[in-house]
Amino acid sequence: GENVEQHPSTLSVQEGDSAVIKCTYSDSASNYFPWYKQELGKGPQLIIDIRSNVGEKKDQRIAVTLNKTAKHFSLHITETQPEDSAVYFCAASITGSARQLTFGSGTQLTVLP
Amino acid sequence: GAGVSQTPSNKVTEKGKYVELRCDPISGHTALYWYRQSLGQGPEFLIYFQGTGAADDSGLPNDRFFAVRPEGSVSTLKIQRTERGDSAVYLCASSNRGADTQYFGPGTRLTVL
Repeated sequence: GENVEQHPSTLSVQEGDSAVIKCTYSDSASNYFPWYKQELGKGPQLIIDIRSNVGEKKDQRIAVTLNKTAKHFSLHITETQPEDSAVYFCAASITGSARQLTFGSGTQLTVLP
Repeated sequence: GAGVSQTPSNKVTEKGKYVELRCDPISGHTALYWYRQSLGQGPEFLIYFQGTGAADDSGLPNDRFFAVRPEGSVSTLKIQRTERGDSAVYLCASSNRGADTQYFGPGTRLTVL
């Protein structure tokens, strides 16, 4: 089955700096890669996703890149703000099938004011 | 509109007891997923419903776990003879037919004493 590795497990940045979180996946059939933000005591919230027919996607301060050959994808947050502090999860799935998501182990992002 | 809701938000039980966890998906969503999230980990897939039937239950850890969705909307996750290792946050997600995006509920925190 699919295996998703995520790093770093913790990341601290100064407000205004950029943050990068990286994930690798094992199953070359995976073609859908969402990123979720989870705040304490809440469920994961989708922040951005990318499909394998696209190399990069951007939404305001958030961007995701995908390298299918290397089987890795990354989340980039620019101009970080204290409210970006949360746990971020990457995930992978195969569209058109059961679509179960395989998650990474998470990155605790802390934005220092 | 209303998101995915889960009840109860917290459940404390004793080892050996039976528990039921409820999920109300987003109205009209045909796909429903259950995940389990242990402390400091990403969510792990348990079971997936498309309509009333369990399309994939490969993530259920053993036969103490069972889930139903009799009318294709609300789902109940049932755990028999609970064990301390069952303690976790149980998350429910739903998605629209043919769509990849999964919307998560806030979860039920289960504690088995």
